[in-house]
Amino acid sequence: ELKVEQNPLFLSMQEGKNYTIYCNYSTTSDRLYWYRQDPGKSLESLFVLLSNGAVKQEGRLMASLDTKARLSTLHITAAVHDLSATYFCAVDRNNAGNMLTFGGGTRLMVKP
Amino acid sequence: KAGVTQTPRYLIKTRGQQVTLSCSPISGHRSVSWYQQTPGQGLQFLFEYFSETQRNKGNFPGRFSGRQFSNSRSEMNVSTLELGDSALYLCASSLVSWGAEAFFGQGTRLTVV
Repeated sequence: ELKVEQNPLFLSMQEGKNYTIYCNYSTTSDRLYWYRQDPGKSLESLFVLLSNGAVKQEGRLMASLDTKARLSTLHITAAVHDLSATYFCAVDRNNAGNMLTFGGGTRLMVKP
Repeated sequence: KAGVTQTPRYLIKTRGQQVTLSCSPISGHRSVSWYQQTPGQGLQFLFEYFSETQRNKGNFPGRFSGRQFSNSRSEMNVSTLELGDSALYLCASSLVSWGAEAFFGQGTRLTVV
């Protein structure tokens, strides 16, 4: 059974600081996704990582994937209040169709 | 380009009733997946349809069912509602049969009283 674990589950940080969210998964997969969810809203796709060593950046967020370590990271640079949200990683099992297993989410609060 | 549309957005039902939720995928997308989100269990996969066929099913009781129509629109049905079925139900559509980015709808908030 595929398990996806995120840590930390809750992160409170000051504006301007850097931090990293970790996503570990238990079985082989080449595809990992990061989503953002604002309170009461749906999931917004942030990054699609499709191979070992993939790195993608958008604004203050950068995501990477190490399939050998079964680890993805979401790095936040110089956080701003607008980044406050819950972030989920999700893993797509190889050749299993479009079926995502999600981590528990990291609730990020950025304080002014 | 229209996104994934889910209806209704909010629903209140009584225990024992049944409910049907609808999802219209992005035009051209043939894969539709459903997820349940609760504070306790997080985001859990319900089922996935591709070309009117259910390809994958999550670990949910038989009270949860779904179908997909020839135009790729999908419905999910929950019979004999229980209090624990209260959740945000999210539908996602993907362009191809596997390994495709999933785009989520706004969700249907179901409250069972």
